[in-house]
Amino acid sequence: DTAVSQTPKYLVTQMGNDKSIKCEQNLGHDTMYWYKQDSKKFLKIMFSYNNKELIINETVPNRFSPKSPDKAHLNLHINSLELGDSAVYFCASSQVGGGIFSTDTQYFGPGTRLTVL
Amino acid sequence: AQSVTQPDIHITVSEGASLELRCNYSYGATPYLFWYVQSPGQGLQLLLKYFSGDTLVQGIKGFEAEFKRSQSSFNLRKPSVHWSDAAEYFCAVGGLSGSRLTFGEGTQLTVNP
Repeated sequence: DTAVSQTPKYLVTQMGNDKSIKCEQNLGHDTMYWYKQDSKKFLKIMFSYNNKELIINETVPNRFSPKSPDKAHLNLHINSLELGDSAVYFCASSQVGGGIFSTDTQYFGPGTRLTVL
Repeated sequence: AQSVTQPDIHITVSEGASLELRCNYSYGATPYLFWYVQSPGQGLQLLLKYFSGDTLVQGIKGFEAEFKRSQSSFNLRKPSVHWSDAAEYFCAVGGLSGSRLTFGEGTQLTVNP
């Protein structure tokens, strides 16, 4: 059983297009995250949602808009794609997060490799 | 601000040899420390974590890590490396206020037969 799943696994698109990446977790977790891993393998958090509410929003261009329809799903929509958006995007989830006590482990999805041409 | 440094970008060891991957962190309060492994084309898998208590933490796949507050370190060790351990290893620090995990830049491990 897949705990955290992402679709698609690969996404190749032209500059200027709009695309979405979907994430689902079946762990019953309250908190979900999006990370970006660049070509040098550096991982950086982008967003975090706790029970459908945005709790972490790093310095990310407005072209990136997360949407959480329910606490099991966190989608990432990207408008007007640029070359620099090419990266691997990881979704993650944890049981407790965003509050004063955040020690729970984050479980990661397999990643979505986005290539912008 | 919290940060993590993994001084070794790439390490090569022979199969059966011992391994130590270094991790140094900067955090203003009690840190919560993690090691993740990423195999080629895969997501991140948690190897082990430290929250409190015994400073020597056992993880999966025969890995262990030792938290040393005085050195701000959380080095990962394995007594005998297997070829399947070849992967990218990430150290991360998190803590109170938001579950914001900060990752190091990773150490690429190559295992020679």
